[in-house]
Parts: sequence; structure tokens; C-alpha cells
Amino acid sequence: DIQMTQSPSSLSASVGDRVTITCRASQGIRNDLGWYQQKPGKAPKRLIYAASSLQSGVPSRFSGSGSGTEFTLTISSLQPEDFATYYCLQHNRKLTFGGGTKVEIK
Amino acid sequence: EVQLVESGGGLVKPGGSLRLSCAASGFTFSSYSMNWVRQAPGKGLEWVSSISSSSSYIYYADSVKGRFTISRDNAKNSLYLQMNSLRAEDTAVYYCARDGYQLPDYWGQGTLVTVSS
Repeated sequence: DIQMTQSPSSLSASVGDRVTITCRASQGIRNDLGWYQQKPGKAPKRLIYAASSLQSGVPSRFSGSGSGTEFTLTISSLQPEDFATYYCLQHNRKLTFGGGTKVEIK
Repeated sequence: EVQLVESGGGLVKPGGSLRLSCAASGFTFSSYSMNWVRQAPGKGLEWVSSISSSSSYIYYADSVKGRFTISRDNAKNSLYLQMNSLRAEDTAVYYCARDGYQLPDYWGQGTLVTVSS
């Protein structure tokens, strides 16, 4: 099975900061990866698919990059509504989520 | 508007069974693969099972293989998850999610399953 290692598990940041979250796959998964945002008590929301394609309606401050085993989600300028937990998800073989990154207010 | 509404959750004793349903609307259900994803209280997301549009391909996480069965009824626009031999560690909110570009795009609001004596 493919394992997804996400880091950091949590971070504190201020409004306007640039934030980067990383996911590493245990084996190559091409660009078969998505990123999700989840707020407490809500269902996850897809931000990115195919590693770097922005989901319709998602602000352009969110971007994804990477291929193979290393992937990154970047928020260029953190906004108050971005404080949430973020997950990566690989779909190359079955599906595996990363452990999550909780983005908190500094 | 895509809508997914889960139902069937509740309290069940260890070793018991439960059947979850997901009613879909706002899209051509028979054209999409579907998934179940769960989230234990205070924990991360865990993929449970996937089924292709015509039920030809079915996949399970190792943690539920042999105990859970995914199915769908395209005539009723519905997805199901039959859960048998339930354990305390199956306690979670269960989400159904539609596939878009081969990974979940739209999600339901979830239904809570609690396994406890």
C-alpha cells in the first residue's frame, strides 16, 4: 500500500503569511494527488486535483506542485477563512490520505 | 446542484451490523464512481471503499475488507455501505463522496456511526 507522509502536522501563522505544506509518497504516484481543506464539523472541500490543477471556485492564492513522490500545497497569502486542516490524498493505487496539517492563528 | 445525503448511522453494539445509504441528486449518478470515507472523532480522514459507475470495480481498505460491502443502485441514485462485525474502531463519521478526475470532489455532510456496548 502507498503511504502518504504529510508535514508539518500543525503550524501557526499570521494573516498574510505564505504557508507551505508537504506530502511525500512512499512510492511514485505520478501526479495522482489532490489537496483538501476541512473546517470543524464540515465535510472536506477539494482545493487541488492532479497535483496542480485548481478546483473551480477556489481562490488563486492556493496552488499545488510536485510529481512522483514530493508534493506541495502553498497558500500565498493566508486569509482568516484559511485557518483549517489540510489533507493530501493519493489516488494512484486505491486511495490514501496524508495525516493532515492543522493551520492555526499565530 | 450536486447533493449527497447520507443516512443510516446510529449506535450499534460491537459485532453488530448497520447499513448506510447515500442519496444522490443534481448529477447523472450512473456516470460516476463513488466512495465512502470515514473520520474517527478528532482524527484524520480514512478512505473506506470505492465502486465504479457500473459496479464493475470495487475496492476496500484493508481495515474493512471482509466486513464491509459497498453497493449501488443506479436506478435509485443511491450508494450503500453494509457494515458487519462492527468494532469500536469503526466509530466515525462516514461520508459518501463522488469521484471527479478520479478522486473525491463532492461530499455529503456525513452520518455518525458509534460502536459501543
